[in-house]
Amino acid sequence: SQKIEQNSEALNIQEGKTATLTCNYTNYSPAYLQWYRQDPGRGPVFLLLIRENEKEKRKERLKVTFDTTLKQSLFHITASQPADSATYLCAPANAGNNRKLIWGLGTSLAVNP
Amino acid sequence: DAGVIQSPRHEVTEMGQEVTLRCKPISGHDYLFWYRQTMMRGLELLIYFNNNVPIDDSGMPEDRFSAKMPNASFSTLKIQPSEPRDSAVYFCASSSQETQETQYFGPGTRLLVL
Repeated sequence: SQKIEQNSEALNIQEGKTATLTCNYTNYSPAYLQWYRQDPGRGPVFLLLIRENEKEKRKERLKVTFDTTLKQSLFHITASQPADSATYLCAPANAGNNRKLIWGLGTSLAVNP
Repeated sequence: DAGVIQSPRHEVTEMGQEVTLRCKPISGHDYLFWYRQTMMRGLELLIYFNNNVPIDDSGMPEDRFSAKMPNASFSTLKIQPSEPRDSAVYFCASSSQETQETQYFGPGTRLLVL
């Protein structure tokens, strides 16, 4: 069955460092993959989308890579700030049904001042 | 824009009661999604609509769950009868051809079934 795996352990880093979150998927080939941020008590908020023919996408301090051979996406936050503390969700599209996203459980990131 | 609006924000009910969750998508969006989120299973898609028509309801857990979208600005998710295992946060999200695959989420309804 289709499966999404994100870092199960919470990630704690020092302010100013780069945070790297991992998303691995198995048993399908998504046409694109999205990353969302979720704060406690709120709905997910879209951050970045990367398509299968793109290797890397950037937006300000955020960078996403997509390796279709490894079936993996990496999400980087450079010069991290305490305000970046949140849960980050990976959501590859379901192949053949592009509006249907399959969601990972998320990785909790804590940036310490 | 007000964003996706959901009501109620919190609902506490007793097992066996009917629960109705409501969603107003962003104006002009033609896709609407209902999700359920729990700690153990994460975010699960229950059903989604395009132009008010259900496209994929394969995530609806069982016949106790039903969803409707009578017009472009309103959708309901109903659970009848409710059970304690239905306790979760239910999110509604919307998107459009212009936003492409990006989904905009509401604040969620936190449901507790006793």
